[in-house]
Amino acid sequence: ELKVEQNPLFLSMQEGKNYTIYCNYSTTSDRLYWYRQDPGKSLESLFVLLSNGAVKQEGRLMASLDTKARLSTLHITAAVHDLSATYFCAVRVHYGQNFVFGPGTRLSVLP
Amino acid sequence: KAGVTQTPRYLIKTRGQQVTLSCSPISGHRSVSWYQQTPGQGLQFLFEYFSETQRNKGNFPGRFSGRQFSNSRSEMNVSTLELGDSALYLCASSPASQPYEQYFGPGTRLTVT
Repeated sequence: ELKVEQNPLFLSMQEGKNYTIYCNYSTTSDRLYWYRQDPGKSLESLFVLLSNGAVKQEGRLMASLDTKARLSTLHITAAVHDLSATYFCAVRVHYGQNFVFGPGTRLSVLP
Repeated sequence: KAGVTQTPRYLIKTRGQQVTLSCSPISGHRSVSWYQQTPGQGLQFLFEYFSETQRNKGNFPGRFSGRQFSNSRSEMNVSTLELGDSALYLCASSPASQPYEQYFGPGTRLTVT
């Protein structure tokens, strides 16, 4: 059974600081997803990582994937308050199989 | 292009009742997936439909069912509601050209009293 873990589960950081969220998964996969969810809202797709070594960046967020280590990271650079949200990673082992989500990392960026 | 729409957005039901939720995917998308989100269990996959066929099913009791119509719109039904069914139900659609992408709707907030 595929398991997806994230750490930390809660993260409080100051504006301007850098930090990394980690996502580990238990079964070989070459597709990893990062989503953002604001309180009471739906999921917003941030990144889709499709192959080993993939790196994608959007603004202050950068995601990477190491399929051999079964690890993805979401790096936050110079955090701002607007980044406060819950971040989920999700894995799909094969096409036609369902997505399995991690528990989410609740990020609070304090002024 | 319009996004994924879900109706109703909010719903209050009584234990033992049944409920039907609706999802309209993005135009041209033929795959629709349903998820349940609760504070305790997180995001859990319910089922996926593609071209009116259930392609995948999560680990939920038979009280949870769904279907997809020829226009790709999907409904999910929960019978004999329990308090634990209170959740945000999210629908996502995927295009055939990029099946690894999922676009989520705003969700239906179901409260069972």
